[in-house]
Formats: sequence, C-alpha cells, structure tokens
Amino acid sequence: NAGVTQTPKFQVLKTGQSMTLQCAQDMNHEYMSWYRQDPGMGLRLIHYSVGAGITDQGEVPNGYNVSRSTTEDFPLRLLSAAPSQTSVYFCASSRGRADHPQHFGDGTRLSIL
Amino acid sequence: AQSVTQLGSHVSVSEGALVLLRCNYSSSVPPYLFWYVQYPNQGLQLLLKYTSAATLVKGINGFEAEFKKSETSFHLTKPSAHMSDAAEYFCAVSDNYQPDSSYKLIFGSGTRLLVRP
Repeated sequence: NAGVTQTPKFQVLKTGQSMTLQCAQDMNHEYMSWYRQDPGMGLRLIHYSVGAGITDQGEVPNGYNVSRSTTEDFPLRLLSAAPSQTSVYFCASSRGRADHPQHFGDGTRLSIL
Repeated sequence: AQSVTQLGSHVSVSEGALVLLRCNYSSSVPPYLFWYVQYPNQGLQLLLKYTSAATLVKGINGFEAEFKKSETSFHLTKPSAHMSDAAEYFCAVSDNYQPDSSYKLIFGSGTRLLVRP
C-alpha cells in the first residue's frame, strides 16, 4: 500500500529552469493538495484539487501551476524557478471530507541556485 | 480568516517527563483539529484528530489532546516522554465546518520537541 508517492526526493535547479514535481496516490482520494514547508512557517498551501479537472489556488500560488487529469496524479510545475522557491514540497490527499485527515507524501527537497 | 498559534518553536524535556505542546485556534465555531508529527526527512503523520465526538482525544504513541472551547485550545500531551518522540509537531485546523465538504488545512508554525536523556 504505497499511499502518496512523490518524485523526485531531491532536486537542484538553476534560476530560470522549469521542472515538474510528481505526486501520485493509490487511495482513490478526491482531494489532493500541494504545500511548501519553510523553517518557522509551518506548511503553506500552494494549490489544491477537489477532483479530476478541478483545481484552485491556495495561499502561495504564484510561480506554480497544477493540473489534475486523473484522480491519481497531481503534478506541480515550477514555470521559471527562483531562489525564493527553495523549499520542501509536500503533496497530500484525502477523501475530501473536513473530518477526514490528509495523508502526506515524504516530500521533495528543492534547491534553486 | 482561520489561524493557528503554536506557542514555543522549541520545547525541551527530559526522558520520562511530561510533554505539553500548546495549540490555540482563532475560530469562534469549533473546527476540526489535527495534530501531525514529522520525523526528520519524512512527511507528516497523523497523531490524532478532533471531530467533535469527544473533547479528550487519544492518538498514537501515547499522545492525547484535549479540546477546550472556552480557551480555543487543543494542547497535545504525553505523560512520559521517550527519546523516539523527538520530532516536529504541527497543529492544524480545517477551514470548513461541514463534515461532508472538502476543506483546506491551516497549519501552525510547528514545535520541535527535544528529549534529553
């Protein structure tokens, strides 16, 4: 039972490069989300999706794009990487009910030089 | 807007001592509340959740939390700390009070628990 799988685990980019962080879940969850974790700031929501074909912005969406073509996958795209996007990124999924917890992947550690 | 405050970015206790990690939320309507734990280089793992069934919630690894509406608090406790409890702990609150609706999680800034031998 894999749960939420994120790839890659580590990545170093140069400023201006683009890349896609992958997230897949095998629990048939409707709700998926992306967070970034920075020291002393907890986790902040970047984008989320309540089902295939439906996405919306979170607290810090600038510089990131998402799409949700299937229930299982929810990739996060960095369009033109900036040093301020150096962070640890977490993907999460849930059944979409407010009383159900979110399940997190192990994270992608991203450094932008 | 909903917010969560965790008092103390670092808490240090001796092995065997009581663990108390503080969490306060801002909503006037009791939300759904969660505590997560993050071990080094790992994702977040659910410790426990409050969904209005009982004010004292028991979680994994001997942790529990008490919901106090009058204090808008949801503090996490464990009677006796173990070395393996050293981790970062996050309190989170849902932004939606309807159980059958999707929601967003608002996280506190986290508390790192250090356990001294």
